[in-house]
Amino acid sequence: EPEVTQTPSHQVTQMGQEVILRCVPISNHLYFYWYRQILGQKVEFLVSFYNNEISEKSEIFDDQFSVERPDGSNFTLKIRSTKLEDSAMYFCASLFETQYFGPGTRLLVL
Amino acid sequence: EDKVVQSPLSLVVHEGDTVTLNCSYEVTNFRSLLWYKQEKKAPTFLFMLTSSGIEKKSGRLSSILDKKELFSILNITATQTGDSAIYLCVNTGNQFYFGTGTSLTVIP
Repeated sequence: EPEVTQTPSHQVTQMGQEVILRCVPISNHLYFYWYRQILGQKVEFLVSFYNNEISEKSEIFDDQFSVERPDGSNFTLKIRSTKLEDSAMYFCASLFETQYFGPGTRLLVL
Repeated sequence: EDKVVQSPLSLVVHEGDTVTLNCSYEVTNFRSLLWYKQEKKAPTFLFMLTSSGIEKKSGRLSSILDKKELFSILNITATQTGDSAIYLCVNTGNQFYFGTGTSLTVIP
């Protein structure tokens, strides 16, 4: 069974610090996504990525956020200067014919 | 304003019952409708629907889309306790729009 992996599983950071969340999508997949889910709330779309560029992004995905596929396997989400309200579970997903989600990174900003 | 509305918000049934979960949407530039099951952590993909009137089936689960009336249903027959989860409807238009989900609890 193919799987999307994410690291770290948990991250605690201080407000204002930069964090990088890492994802390894399934190898033959072409579309990649980041979502977040604030505790007790619904899943929210952040960004989709195809052919080495952002294809869509939501209003949440402002200048504090960026994504990269630095080496053809990893797919990263960077938050430049974290805020308290960035605390959430961040899910990566990849798609070929079926979309698979990673297990998530729980980010806590103090 | 683009939105996805799921109903009911929560549902409690007995094992063996059949349930129908509803999803209605208003989305600009509709492309597809996705159903997911979310238990403890990450959502699990169930179906992707793009065409009206074509039922997709996977075991006891099935789903259909009506693009004219802008809704989709997810049916689960002969429910089991393992079906207990939140079921998410997602519409892909210009962005991915998630519904708030239907929380299904199946009791033995």
